[in-house]
Amino acid sequence: AQTVTQSQPEMSVQEAETVTLSCTYDTSENNYYLFWYKQPPSRQMILVIRQEAYKQQNATENRFSVNFQKAAKSFSLKISDSQLGDTAMYFCAFMASNDYKLSFGAGTTVTVRA
Amino acid sequence: DAGITQSPRHKVTETGTPVTLRCHQTENHRYMYWYRQDPGHGLRLIHYSYGVKDTDKGEVSDGYSVSRSKTEDFLLTLESATSSQTSVYFCAISESGQGNSPLHFGNGTRLTVT
Repeated sequence: AQTVTQSQPEMSVQEAETVTLSCTYDTSENNYYLFWYKQPPSRQMILVIRQEAYKQQNATENRFSVNFQKAAKSFSLKISDSQLGDTAMYFCAFMASNDYKLSFGAGTTVTVRA
Repeated sequence: DAGITQSPRHKVTETGTPVTLRCHQTENHRYMYWYRQDPGHGLRLIHYSYGVKDTDKGEVSDGYSVSRSKTEDFLLTLESATSSQTSVYFCAISESGQGNSPLHFGNGTRLTVT
């Protein structure tokens, strides 16, 4: 079983500032996918960004970017120019290429202050 | 939004009663999943399905059963509900079950067992 660890239960950031969420994972697989999902107070689960392990280039989606360090098994999410609508819980998730199951971390609650 | 409907949205039930949660999709995706979300644990996989009548267990399957008689419907049954099954339940779908076809989630069902 894969283990995904998010060591920061809560984070707070001022509007327009940058915040970085950490995620580490444990796997013996070489090919896999990593994801960040956002869950706002509405409870909806929204895919933010996806990274394929065989791609060295870090994924970027608008204000969201990742720092993928394969050797360190680290996958952090950076939110730039934070907006009030970014207030949510963020989940890191892992899926091996030869598996059909997504494993989640415990989540990090991000609060953006006006 | 991916065409996923979970019903009911909220349910309160008593210990020992059977409960069935329904997930309906209009995307004709092959893979369907049931997760539960609890504080400090993120989302944990209960069961998943890789086709009609094809299902498999996840990491927290004890006390739950599933059925998939049609592509579009995936039912989760608690045979005899317990207080430990109080949780938010999410259904998810994926076209291929692979990381290049990320999971899309329904809006969740909040179940309270008293």
